[in-house]
Amino acid sequence: SQTIHQWPATLVQPVGSPLSLECTVEGTSNPNLYWYRQAAGRGLQLLFYSVGIGQISSEVPQNLSASRPQDRQFILSSKKLLLSDSGFYLCAWNLGTGGYEQYFGPGTRLTVT
Amino acid sequence: RKEVEQDPGPFNVPEGATVAFNCTYSNSASQSFFWYRQDCRKEPKLLMSVYSSGNEDGRFTAQLNRASQYISLLIRDSKLSDSATYLCVVSLAPPGGYNKLIFGAGTRLAVHP
Repeated sequence: SQTIHQWPATLVQPVGSPLSLECTVEGTSNPNLYWYRQAAGRGLQLLFYSVGIGQISSEVPQNLSASRPQDRQFILSSKKLLLSDSGFYLCAWNLGTGGYEQYFGPGTRLTVT
Repeated sequence: RKEVEQDPGPFNVPEGATVAFNCTYSNSASQSFFWYRQDCRKEPKLLMSVYSSGNEDGRFTAQLNRASQYISLLIRDSKLSDSATYLCVVSLAPPGGYNKLIFGAGTRLAVHP
């Protein structure tokens, strides 16, 4: 069966510091991968999606970036964090040939101070 | 207008009650429909897909009305463990784009003894 991992689980970072969040999927090949952010009390906002290695599409302009160096690895980065980057970051996957539902990792809770 | 709208609640109900959540979506080109459940500070988990003919999974019944662009979720015989936020989700496939999910902000349910 497929599993999705994210780390770290929680992170407290000062404004202006860099960020790197990692997501990996096991048990499947060539998944579509997604990064979402959920601000406190808000809905999920899609940040990036990827249909293959090195293929990244951005949904929202911001100071974040994403990379997919391997088939089942998805990384979210920032060079300088802003206070507004605080939130719950969720990675998700699905198969392009399957249904449209997505399956989420456990998330990273980021607090920028 | 939001693409997916839900009553934020909270819905406070006693154990054993029947509760219904409604959701409307704005884009008539929406293709697939889902309900996700999100526990406090956890990732969303797929509860059920929603089909035009309506579908049932144990105590949960989902209905879709494409003409009215309306989706519902009925929970019968509520349990304490049903307390969570329920997210209404639709998929869209813009021309030349990929199939993306649009999440509602969620409806919070609190079941009390």
